[in-house]
Amino acid sequence: DVKVTQSSRYLVKRTGEKVFLECVQDMDHENMFWYRQDPGLGLRLIYFSYDVKMKEKGDIPEGYSVSREKKERFSLILESASTNQTSMYLCASGSNTEAFFGQGTRLTVV
Amino acid sequence: GNSVTQMEGPVTLSEEAFLTINCTYTATGYPSLFWYVQYPGEGLQLLLKATKADDKGSNKGFEATYRKETTSFHLEKGSVQVSDSAVYFCARETDSWGKFQFGAGTQVVVTP
Repeated sequence: DVKVTQSSRYLVKRTGEKVFLECVQDMDHENMFWYRQDPGLGLRLIYFSYDVKMKEKGDIPEGYSVSREKKERFSLILESASTNQTSMYLCASGSNTEAFFGQGTRLTVV
Repeated sequence: GNSVTQMEGPVTLSEEAFLTINCTYTATGYPSLFWYVQYPGEGLQLLLKATKADDKGSNKGFEATYRKETTSFHLEKGSVQVSDSAVYFCARETDSWGKFQFGAGTQVVVTP
């Protein structure tokens, strides 16, 4: 069974903290993605990566960075968390025709 | 610009009712189209997909047909169950890297 695993289901962080969200996939996919999900806005792409050490900005990259040191792992970094980054974060990996999602990390910034 | 638009929810139905969720898209060319489902507390799962015009995707009693004339991909199910309560997302492929553009999602609530 294919699997995308996000390291935390729930996180609470303070404003200004550096936050790491980790994602691991076991399908040997080259493409990996980070989305955030907000009510009424659907999913919006933050960053994606199509190879190790490669990254591309999505639609809303401001305030975020990413790291892809190994093929199976794609990390999302909030350099200095702010309250407007409170959201559900979804990691995905995929081929050209389908994306597989993790269970999501609900991040609250207080 | 390119977009995916789906009907707003929540949609509340009784068990065994007919469900339709409308989805339209704008794009250059003919992108692959998808429906994803998110059950409470979980990530998104692929429900069905269609890769070219007139294709019909189907799974778990759900169907959607790729209509290029109306640029639509409406989701239908003839008889819903309580277990179908979830948020449904319409999506289109945006480029060859496997990126997707999602609609805002439609919450469906099925009552016994």
